[in-house]
Amino acid sequence: QMQLQQWGAGLLKPSETLSLTCAVYGGSVGDHYWTWIRQSPGRGLEWIGEISHRGTTKYNPSHKSRVLISVDTSKNQFSLKLSSVTAADTAVYYCARERVRATNPYTWFDSWGQGTLVTVSS
Amino acid sequence: DIRMTQSPSPLSASVGDRVTLTCRASQNIGSHLNWYQQKPGKAPNLLISAASTLQSGVPSRFTGTGSGTDFTLTISGLQLEDFATYYCQQGSSSPYTFGPGTKLDI
Repeated sequence: QMQLQQWGAGLLKPSETLSLTCAVYGGSVGDHYWTWIRQSPGRGLEWIGEISHRGTTKYNPSHKSRVLISVDTSKNQFSLKLSSVTAADTAVYYCARERVRATNPYTWFDSWGQGTLVTVSS
Repeated sequence: DIRMTQSPSPLSASVGDRVTLTCRASQNIGSHLNWYQQKPGKAPNLLISAASTLQSGVPSRFTGTGSGTDFTLTISGLQLEDFATYYCQQGSSSPYTFGPGTKLDI
């Protein structure tokens, strides 16, 4: 049974960089795709981006210029950095395993972290 | 981006009822549609993938149907633990997008 445990700073000031890490238990980060998703009352659930088992990244164009997703295979973790945050980035952030079917490409999210509330306020 | 809409919301029901939740995509996504259940303070939990494939451990009272742009999630014989918010998500093309959710109330 795969488990994801995430952590990171919960209170940021505008213009700071959001940084979250997700540890994977019961599996290897090198075997799957991984993703970050956030949820806010105003925007609902929003896919931020993904990193493949080969380290290839894909980001939501809405955040592309500010986002960096990386993986640390030695620690079996992956991370999210979102720069220049504003109040609009206030949300609960989730890490998740992204399942990808290669033929007739198709994606779903089947294991989630517990969520981290990030508040951006001056 | 593919826009996902859901109806109704909220949806009031009682234990034992059969309810149908609807999800619509702004363009044809084939069967690339997933359903999640979320309870307050918890992460979403995958119920159904590929429009109709029930995930392991999910009760058989949950049924997903549809293809193209119109999809439904039916819960037959509502149990107390089913009262939650349900989200659909298209996995056809990035950026992957979610519907606004249907809150199922007692």
